Amino acid sequence: DAGVTQSPTHLIKTRGQQVTLRCSPKSGHDTVSWYQQALGQGPQFIFQYYEEEERQRGNFPDRFSGHQFPNYSSELNVNALLLGDSALYLCASNLLGEQFFGPGTRLTVL
Amino acid sequence: AQTVTQSQPEMSVQEAETVTLSCTYDTSENNYYLFWYKQPPSRQMILVIRQEAYKQQNATENRFSVNFQKAAKSFSLKISDSQLGDTAMYFCALNFGNEKLTFGTGTRLTIIP
Repeated sequence: DAGVTQSPTHLIKTRGQQVTLRCSPKSGHDTVSWYQQALGQGPQFIFQYYEEEERQRGNFPDRFSGHQFPNYSSELNVNALLLGDSALYLCASNLLGEQFFGPGTRLTVL
Repeated sequence: AQTVTQSQPEMSVQEAETVTLSCTYDTSENNYYLFWYKQPPSRQMILVIRQEAYKQQNATENRFSVNFQKAAKSFSLKISDSQLGDTAMYFCALNFGNEKLTFGTGTRLTIIP
């Protein structure tokens, strides 16, 4: 079992650009959650996908959007990047209430 | 809305000693789950231990144990016989089943050789 995987590992963008981050859940996991972790902070919940629908959303603007595919993998899209979007983006897949995290994507916005 | 508070930004302890990390939380729900996650410099968030609120017995995983005080809304993590590999950020978190995790701000733990 490969666990939760995320790509890319690192990404550098400039303000105003758009970015797409990808996540593949653990085998058999049908729910994917995304979190933003600013430097020195705890992760903040962005949204959760289940059965290809957004099931729950945190306090993030509409610039943050997502998608879940039939194979349960997921994408996080961020439009009109701001300097404040620089963070570690974590994906987690869950089954029976336990969330397993991927290694994260480090996004730097210049 | 639920909140999780970790009041110890940093802690350090000698190798082989015991250390306790504190966490308090607030929720109006009666059924919930509490977690301690470890995040080493590699960034991978690793589940250390999990506690169901309806269970009175404190959870234990090898050298890691919790002191769950439901009435006081307190959930501390005790690490016994600490090892160098325990050096990491530790996050306390709360959720209600398959829903979102609410995290504290973390405690940076350093194990001194």
